[in-house]
Formats: sequence, C-alpha cells, structure tokens
Amino acid sequence: DTGVSQNPRHKITKRGQNVTFRCDPISEHNRLYWYRQTLGQGPEFLTYFQNEAQLEKSRLLSDRFSAERPKGSFSTLEIQRTEQGDSAMYLCASSLSGAGGIHEQYFGPGTRLTVT
Amino acid sequence: AQSVSQHNHHVILSEAASLELGCNYSYGGTVNLFWYVQYPGQHLQLLLKYFSGDPLVKGIKGFEAEFIKSKFSFNLRKPSVQWSDTAEYFCAVNTGGGNKLTFGTGTQLKVEL
Repeated sequence: DTGVSQNPRHKITKRGQNVTFRCDPISEHNRLYWYRQTLGQGPEFLTYFQNEAQLEKSRLLSDRFSAERPKGSFSTLEIQRTEQGDSAMYLCASSLSGAGGIHEQYFGPGTRLTVT
Repeated sequence: AQSVSQHNHHVILSEAASLELGCNYSYGGTVNLFWYVQYPGQHLQLLLKYFSGDPLVKGIKGFEAEFIKSKFSFNLRKPSVQWSDTAEYFCAVNTGGGNKLTFGTGTQLKVEL
C-alpha cells in the first residue's frame, strides 16, 4: 500500500496524559499536513511541513501541541496534558509541491483520539 | 480568511435521482477548489478539483462540478445517484501559498434503494 498511513488508528487516554501520533506520507511527497476533525465538522488545518521545515501553524495549535518531521519523511504530532476538548480525529495528508503548481492532498485514515 | 459554506447538511435521495450539493466560498482572489468524499469507514478521497481553465470539471464516478466565479460557488452534481454514493461530501478551497485546505462542514448523503 503506497498511500498515507497513520498510527495508531485509535487512542484512548486519560486527561492530563501525553499522546503521540505518527504519519507516514506517500514516499515522494515533500509536503505533509495535519488536520483535526470533530463530529459534524469538516477537517480544520493545524500545521504543515515542506520537507523537514514547519512552515505554518494554525492558531488552533496551542502550545500543548507540537509537530515534527525530523528527516522530511514521517511526522509526529504530540499533545501534552490532554484535555477532553482534544478528542477528535487527527488527519494527516501529503502532497507534492513545486514548479508544477497546485497538487492535491492525499489523506490518511486518521487517528481517533478519545480523552476520558 | 477564507471560509466555505455547505448549506445541505443531510440529503436523502432515491436511486437514480439527480444530485446537486451546494458549496459557496468567501475569498476575493484566485482559488483552487476541491470536492472530497468519505465513504463509510474509509478515508477522505479526492472526487474532483478545479485549478483553472474550463469551469465545468469532471471527476470520478460520474460526478461533476461547476465553478461560477461571480457566485463564489462550486456546486457538485451527478445526474443519477447510486446506492454506493452514500457518503459524506466535503467542499474545500485553498488560496495557494502553502496549499492548506479550508473545508466546509460536509454534506451527509444517503441514497435509498
């Protein structure tokens, strides 16, 4: 399977705990995006990387959230001191970028986080 | 900041009925427009996209969408829906730069036999 993969698919944690999610993009894609989706809403942009550089962060990404893409391949999203409001589906997407202009994003299956 | 409105939150149709899902965006500059679909238990998949050129774009599975710049709209259409089209449909826009997507709230489509 050469699509975007995310692990774990489901995570249940207690309030106050830290969690980390992983995203493996399509191998030749240099851009990687994180989105969050809550029930009844569309995905909301959190942050994106071009190669290993984090180029933009949404105001939704509080200081409890941190994302990395250390070698420009896979990425991790960590949430510290989780709160019940963090319960959501966390989606990863990847795309190409470059002189060819706009490229569509390919989404992974998501990680569903439940904070109890 | 750009925003996307999808006015139909839930749509129920019988097989063979025609479909039109509304999508309006707010942004005065150049936009790129997308429709994504999420079938039950599956991840988001691209249905079709508009970057430039012919405002009537065709996607997979018989879907099409028309970009009307004057109305800031990008409505999705299908002449005859099938039971297998039951899914959630999301309209999205980006305005270049980092290509981050702004999504609408989605339309849940149920097609009955």
